Amino acid sequence: ETGVTQSPTHLIKTRGQQVTLRCSSQSGHNTVSWYQQALGQGPQFIFQYYREEENGRGNFPPRFSGLQFPNYSSELNVNALELDDSALYLCASSLGGFANTIYFGEGSWLTVV
Amino acid sequence: DAKTTQPNSMESNEEEPVHLPCNHSTISGTDYIHWYRQLPSQGPEYVIHGLTSNVNNRMASLAIAEDRKSSTLILHRATLRDAAVYYCIPYSNTGKLIFGQGTTLQVKP
Repeated sequence: ETGVTQSPTHLIKTRGQQVTLRCSSQSGHNTVSWYQQALGQGPQFIFQYYREEENGRGNFPPRFSGLQFPNYSSELNVNALELDDSALYLCASSLGGFANTIYFGEGSWLTVV
Repeated sequence: DAKTTQPNSMESNEEEPVHLPCNHSTISGTDYIHWYRQLPSQGPEYVIHGLTSNVNNRMASLAIAEDRKSSTLILHRATLRDAAVYYCIPYSNTGKLIFGQGTTLQVKP
């Protein structure tokens, strides 16, 4: 039990639609990151938020966007869904800084048909 | 970003020690070495991390080479629940964990 919860756990969307995934961070954690994990691959960094500001971004197009709220919970939004967006989306929270432990949620499985 | 090299797979017998190696020869002086593991259909789980000195916790030990170009994760007594993909990740102040292919550990009863 990491204290990081994600919703929904599974969902199916149609190509071209939009999706919002949600993450509740571990209490007190001000830094949240999102990762995409395709089947059989390691997780890929999408972006990170620190105190409601985007603080780093991986190699993902602008249709991947996010928000972090004052209570440090977070959303990942993906517009104009493509078939290749089918993946496990992981949220991770920490106190920030590279000396601290990072805790992952169980992820949201997205299938685009 | 530092690159890592890990064996694709390893096998162990239950209740025996397991040593999982990782080469990270391009690691920078301030990168911490993090280890995570991932069971099927679950999110990655933190195992241990360190900078220069060897580290121990309830899950494992981390032995870091003096030149920091390699490290070894040690599971003292493997159990069936330890079967997972293990990732070694040099973590810098860029804020992102860069996952490689990791090592798939199989534990035999």
